[in-house]
Amino acid sequence: KNQVEQSPQSLIILEGKNCTLQCNYTVSPFSNLRWYKQDTGRGPVSLTIMTFSENTKSNGRYTATLDADTKQSSLHITASQLSDSASYICVVSGGSGTYKYIFGTGTRLKVLA
Amino acid sequence: KAGVTQTPRYLIKTRGQQVTLSCSPISGHRSVSWYQQTPGQGLQFLFEYFSETQRNKGNFPGRFSGRQFSNSRSEMNVSTLELGDSALYLCASSLSTSGRPYYEQYFGPGTRLTVT
Repeated sequence: KNQVEQSPQSLIILEGKNCTLQCNYTVSPFSNLRWYKQDTGRGPVSLTIMTFSENTKSNGRYTATLDADTKQSSLHITASQLSDSASYICVVSGGSGTYKYIFGTGTRLKVLA
Repeated sequence: KAGVTQTPRYLIKTRGQQVTLSCSPISGHRSVSWYQQTPGQGLQFLFEYFSETQRNKGNFPGRFSGRQFSNSRSEMNVSTLELGDSALYLCASSLSTSGRPYYEQYFGPGTRLTVT
């Protein structure tokens, strides 16, 4: 069964600290993996997209890694800011047929001053 | 360049009614995807349209349907509404060309549907 699991479900950190969010998937065949940031009441915004051959991709203070062998991805946030408080969603494209999108349930991050 | 717009932003309907939601993609984008987001299930893919044709479909009942017009604007229709259809419905557009597996999606703000 195609699934995307994210951990932790929620996370609270202090401003300025780093954190890492995890995403494990069982989607096959695999096309690409994306990380989105979703602020409360707004649509998701893409942070990174990675294909099978990409191991790391950065977007400012956000760095995503992908291990296609173990089917794991992580999103590392450096020097967190209050504005990083949001839900982070991992999405894997693939599965039977083309361009199916399987979403993780997200990690809710709260950054405290 | 204007972003993805969705109308209406909020909607309250009664069980058994039907509803139509509208999405205007970013200018030049030909692909429009629809998603349902609920607290319990998270984001779930409904369907994707490209050049007025449904290219992909998620696992939703036939009560959920959509269409895309020649100007790439898209509508989503839900018939015979159920309480469980209460959700945030998100639309996303992209420059996806047929057969390309890797493209950026831009989401609209969503339509919050409440079914009573």
